[in-house]
Amino acid sequence: LAKTTQPISMDSYEGQEVNITCSHNNIATNDYITWYQQFPSQGPRFIIQGYKTKVTNEVASLFIPADRKSSTLSLPRVSLSDTAVYYCLVGDPLGAGNKLTFGGGTRVLVKP
Amino acid sequence: GAGVSQSPSNKVTEKGKDVELRCDPISGHTALYWYRQSLGQGLEFLIYFQGNSAPDKSGLPSDRFSAERTGGSVSTLTIQRTQQEDSAVYLCASSKEAANYGYTFGSGTRLTVV
Repeated sequence: LAKTTQPISMDSYEGQEVNITCSHNNIATNDYITWYQQFPSQGPRFIIQGYKTKVTNEVASLFIPADRKSSTLSLPRVSLSDTAVYYCLVGDPLGAGNKLTFGGGTRVLVKP
Repeated sequence: GAGVSQSPSNKVTEKGKDVELRCDPISGHTALYWYRQSLGQGLEFLIYFQGNSAPDKSGLPSDRFSAERTGGSVSTLTIQRTQQEDSAVYLCASSKEAANYGYTFGSGTRLTVV
């Protein structure tokens, strides 16, 4: 399974755009990139998933360069309620084990 | 149900006792996963069930841990002879067929071994 590296923490302010970059130098051909959000005392929540280029949904955008060795989760105009831990995961959902490995995540603090 | 349901939400047990944690996945989700999260840490994979296939038990930390899934739906995680290091939040997740569709997690069971 490809190892991921992401910042331990980030601070931002309400209304700003938050970009979290995840490195995954050993990503395999069949691997997808998935991001989850976790609030205190809750299980993680699926945010977005992509394979290459750009993916956008109502919550976030995911930018993946051509070499796929990194990815950037972009949260537009954050609010206080976006304070959470964000996990970057890389894995082959149809591969051996079919399980995603969670790293330490990025703790995002949105300030007023 | 609408989401993944876990029970109990909190469990305090004495060291050496056995505990059972229950997970009700989303109806129709064939894949079910158990993870463990210690305070302030990331998620640690424990076990994975997919349909009628043999479960992937590669993440179970010791033979005190076991899990079963009856009828392809409800799952029970059992920890025998609990130790203090077993204290953590145990999270269950389910997904359609495979993780490509994204997991839906329950709120977890907070286990405290005293």
